Amino acid sequence: SQKIEQNSEALNIQEGKTATLTCNYTNYSPAYLQWYRQDPGRGPVFLLLIRENEKEKRKERLKVTFDTTLKQSLFHITASQPADSATYLCAAGGSYIPTFGRGTSLIVHP
Amino acid sequence: DTAVSQTPKYLVTQMGNDKSIKCEQNLGHDTMYWYKQDSKKFLKIMFSYNNKELIINETVPNRFSPKSPDKAHLNLHINSLELGDSAVYFCASSHPRGRYNEQFFGPGTRLTVL
Repeated sequence: SQKIEQNSEALNIQEGKTATLTCNYTNYSPAYLQWYRQDPGRGPVFLLLIRENEKEKRKERLKVTFDTTLKQSLFHITASQPADSATYLCAAGGSYIPTFGRGTSLIVHP
Repeated sequence: DTAVSQTPKYLVTQMGNDKSIKCEQNLGHDTMYWYKQDSKKFLKIMFSYNNKELIINETVPNRFSPKSPDKAHLNLHINSLELGDSAVYFCASSHPRGRYNEQFFGPGTRLTVL
């Protein structure tokens, strides 16, 4: 069955460093990957989309890569800030409804 | 200028009761969804409606019945609530322009069944 896997352990980093989150998919060839941010008690908020024919996408301090050979997407936050602390969800899709991973919690320490 | 709103935010009820969750979006989107997020944080699609018509119904017990009176509203009615229904339910909407539609989520409704 299709699987979207993200690290279940929280990622702890120091302010100013680059945070890198991983999303792996198996039994799947998604046409796109999306990344969302979810804060406690809130709904997910869309951040970035990358299509299968794109290797990299950037938006301000965010960068997403899509490696169809490794079946993996990496999500980077450069110059991280405590306000970046949240859970980040990866979602993959071939149709217009994405399948979500369980998310990775990021904690940025001042 | 709330985009996707849900009521109530919290719902605590006894097993066997029937309850409803309401959702409204003011984004002018054609498609609305219900997702369930369990204690392990997996976000799973339950239903999808496009222009008031059901287009996706994942493996969900028929105790769950969505209703879309118009394309801005999608309500979820749950009959005979069970302990396992406890979760956070999110409404979402999207405007389908091709295959890459970002989902706009509501704030969620935390349902606790006692």
